[in-house]
Amino acid sequence: GQNIDQPTEMTATEGAIVQINCTYQTSGFNGLFWYQQHAGEAPTFLSYNVLDGLEEKGRFSSFLSRSKGYSYLLLKELQMKDSASYLCAVNGGSQGNLIFGKGTKLSVKP
Amino acid sequence: DVKVTQSSRYLVKRTGEKVFLECVQDMDHENMFWYRQDPGLGLRLIYFSYDVKMKEKGDIPEGYSVSREKKERFSLILESASTNQTSMYLCASSLNSADEQFFGPGTRLTVL
Repeated sequence: GQNIDQPTEMTATEGAIVQINCTYQTSGFNGLFWYQQHAGEAPTFLSYNVLDGLEEKGRFSSFLSRSKGYSYLLLKELQMKDSASYLCAVNGGSQGNLIFGKGTKLSVKP
Repeated sequence: DVKVTQSSRYLVKRTGEKVFLECVQDMDHENMFWYRQDPGLGLRLIYFSYDVKMKEKGDIPEGYSVSREKKERFSLILESASTNQTSMYLCASSLNSADEQFFGPGTRLTVL
């Protein structure tokens, strides 16, 4: 079966670092995406990993281990505007359809 | 910038009505997708299309149909709306199967 797990909620303090984990079991794998979704808005693309290792993009980094079926999103120097849901999604279909986790709601507190 | 637009942000319909949700993208993307998003369930794929007049069922196609007569437009149809179809509906598109998906703003549908 297809399964993607990530924590439901996390809380962190402004200025801190937070790591959001994602584990997956899918029949296929063509890459892993992270999306950010603010309340009432559409998801927006953050990062894409297809090879093992760390991808860094400003305050955000994403890591992938294909052998472990594991990824994480690292957010540094947290800001209040980072309060949002973070969605992990695996490209596991032959036609590029994504399988989404249920999302992690991150609350950043002063 | 890629732009994906949806015909309505908010929609209220009655049980049994036929409902059309329209999605248009302006970047000549091959793939288009329809999702619904519900609290605690995340994003679930209803249907997707990788070419004009082509469609594939996603994880929850029951009660829905789709139409893709032109490359830029992908329509979701609820033949006879039911209260359990009250949800946020999100359309997305991507250039090809390996690219990120760009999402529209969503349509919050309420079926009374």
